[in-house]
Amino acid sequence: DQQVKQNSPSLSVQEGRISILNCDYTNSMFDYFLWYKKYPAEGPTFLISISSIKDKNEDGRFTVFLNKSAKHLSLHIVPSQPGDSAVYFCAASSTTSGTYKYIFGTGTRLKVLA
Amino acid sequence: ETGVTQSPTHLIKTRGQQVTLRCSSQSGHNTVSWYQQALGQGPQFIFQYYREEENGRGNFPPRFSGLQFPNYSSELNVNALELDDSALYLCASSLKSTEYEQYFGPGTRLTVT
Repeated sequence: DQQVKQNSPSLSVQEGRISILNCDYTNSMFDYFLWYKKYPAEGPTFLISISSIKDKNEDGRFTVFLNKSAKHLSLHIVPSQPGDSAVYFCAASSTTSGTYKYIFGTGTRLKVLA
Repeated sequence: ETGVTQSPTHLIKTRGQQVTLRCSSQSGHNTVSWYQQALGQGPQFIFQYYREEENGRGNFPPRFSGLQFPNYSSELNVNALELDDSALYLCASSLKSTEYEQYFGPGTRLTVT
């Protein structure tokens, strides 16, 4: 049972354009969400997070949107740069258990073309 | 400030054997979580340790066990290895107070033959 789904395994975008990565979840108890970026041979790197009390969070070129009614979040990267090419994972957690036990999606491989 | 380190980088074991993987947390972090990432999948939560006690566990059998030491370094032990245990094992450290920010190490690639 995949509670966090990233339905696009890969995405290619031209440099300078917007990249939109999508993530859906099924568990309504999830109340904290993150995006991680992973380069080959490295561990995932924290990118941006959002709490369920918000519907948008921005950090420089990265914006995460949360639509609780649709159980959907998206990561927008504007403008996209070749260095953004990596695998992006979304992760969700229910903080009511007292432990941030993250459930990860399967990842989307982003390729930014120069 | 040193980041999260893991050892060894790669490991090959035979089915039925036991393995110990090690993790050194980022300086000052008192919480460590372990994840298993199979090929083509996202990381799956194994368990978390806080102040040397297990503080949450995912859907993994008891043959997956862990330890956290007073210096907050950690071990993941897997007994009776199975072929499906072949994966990248990641540890992530954090402060309990800001547990949502987890910093990952580069992982240990385990191959079971």
